[in-house]
Amino acid sequence: AQTVTQSQPEMSVQEAETVTLSCTYDTSESNYYLFWYKQPPSRQMILVIRQEAYKQQNATENRFSVNFQKAAKSFSLKISDSQLGDTAMYFCAFMKHEGGATNKLIFGTGTLLAVQP
Amino acid sequence: ETGVTQTPRHLVMGMTNKKSLKCEQHLGHNAMYWYKQSAKKPLELMFVYNFKEQTENNSVPSRFSPECPNSSHLFLHLHTLQPEDSALYLCASSPQSGFRYNEQFFGPGTRLTVL
Repeated sequence: AQTVTQSQPEMSVQEAETVTLSCTYDTSESNYYLFWYKQPPSRQMILVIRQEAYKQQNATENRFSVNFQKAAKSFSLKISDSQLGDTAMYFCAFMKHEGGATNKLIFGTGTLLAVQP
Repeated sequence: ETGVTQTPRHLVMGMTNKKSLKCEQHLGHNAMYWYKQSAKKPLELMFVYNFKEQTENNSVPSRFSPECPNSSHLFLHLHTLQPEDSALYLCASSPQSGFRYNEQFFGPGTRLTVL
C-alpha cells in the first residue's frame, strides 16, 4: 500500500521569502503521479502543481516548483516570493497510474503554511 | 470556483436524524468522489463513481449511503450517524480523458457536526 508523509505540521514564512515544504512517499510502483494541493481557509481544495514520475524534469508553475527525487521518494514544494494569499494547508498526494478516470489519490496529513506580513 | 458545488455548506444533525449531502459538477466530468476530512488526519477516500457506477467503496460504514443518479450529481445519504462522523465532507470530480484526466477538482465541502 502507498503512504504519503508530511513531517512538517506547521510552517511560517515572511512575505517575499522562499519556503520549502517536505513530502516523502512509499510505493513499489514505477509509474505514478504526485501532486501538491492547496486548501485555503475558504476550504476549496485546488491543485498547485503535478509531477509525472517518468519525467526527470521538475515541474514548475510560476512561483511554485518541486524537487522530485524518485530514488529517495521525495517530493518537496518550493514557494518563491511568498504572498499572503499563499497562507493555506498544503497537501501532498500520490496517485498510482491505473488509467481511466477513477484514479485514487492518497493524501498526506498536510502542512499548514502561514505567510507573515 | 472550480465548477464543483456542494450543499449544504454546514449541517448539524442528531444521531437519529436522516440527512443528505449534495454535490454537483458543471465540468462535464464522468468520475465523482466523496472524501472525509478529519482534523489531523489525511483525507480519506470514501466512494468513487464512474459513469454513475460505483467503482470504489473504501470500507465505509453502511450509515453512509451514496447515490449517483447521473454523471453531474452525487449524493451522500446519512442516517444514524455517530459523533465521530463529524468532519468536512469533500466532493470531487475528474475527467476521463484529456491532458488533465487525472486531476481531481474539489468542491468547498460540507462541514458536518453530529450531536
